[in-house]
Amino acid sequence: KQEVTQIPAALSVPEGENLVLNCSFTDSAIYNLQWFRQDPGKGLTSLLLIQSSQREQTSGRLNASLDKSSGRSTLYIAASQPGDSATYLCAAYHGSGNTGKLIFGQGTTLQVKP
Amino acid sequence: DTGVSQDPRHKITKRGQNVTFRCDPISEHNRLYWYRQTLGQGPEFLTYFQNEAQLEKSRLLSDRFSAERPKGSFSTLEIQRTEQGDSAMYLCASSLEVGTLAFFGQGTRLTVV
Repeated sequence: KQEVTQIPAALSVPEGENLVLNCSFTDSAIYNLQWFRQDPGKGLTSLLLIQSSQREQTSGRLNASLDKSSGRSTLYIAASQPGDSATYLCAAYHGSGNTGKLIFGQGTTLQVKP
Repeated sequence: DTGVSQDPRHKITKRGQNVTFRCDPISEHNRLYWYRQTLGQGPEFLTYFQNEAQLEKSRLLSDRFSAERPKGSFSTLEIQRTEQGDSAMYLCASSLEVGTLAFFGQGTRLTVV
């Protein structure tokens, strides 16, 4: 059974700092890994998708890496801003053929202080 | 296309009542997922559809829960005889095909009193 864990559960940093969020998964047979952002009381916003054959993916100040063999992914946020404050969720897309679904971690709640 | 749409955004119901939520996915997205999220937790998988076919249901989904996706377009999630433990945010997502980027709606927050 696929399990996804995110550490830390919460993180507070001063504005401008670079930071890394961690995600680990127990079953390396994933199709891809997706990172999402969630603002309080809102739905999820897609950030990045890394295919199982890729090592990293970049979008603006965000860089996500994937190491399938060790069951880990990281989300790197450069030059953090107060507007980055939110909960960040990683999800492993697990399945094969026509089946498959996203299995989520519990999330890391980030606070960036001005 | 404005993305995945869910209705209603909020629902307060008395214990024992039935409720139905609607999800309109992004047009031409074949995959549609339902998740449930409680405070401080990540979303938990409930069920998903490939077009109109419901391919998998979580064991978390009791017999009181049912979902449909007629004609492979919008989907409904019905909860019968609601219980206080059903209080949660119900999220819908869609994706173009298997394993492609998933887009989520704003969710329906259910409160059972």
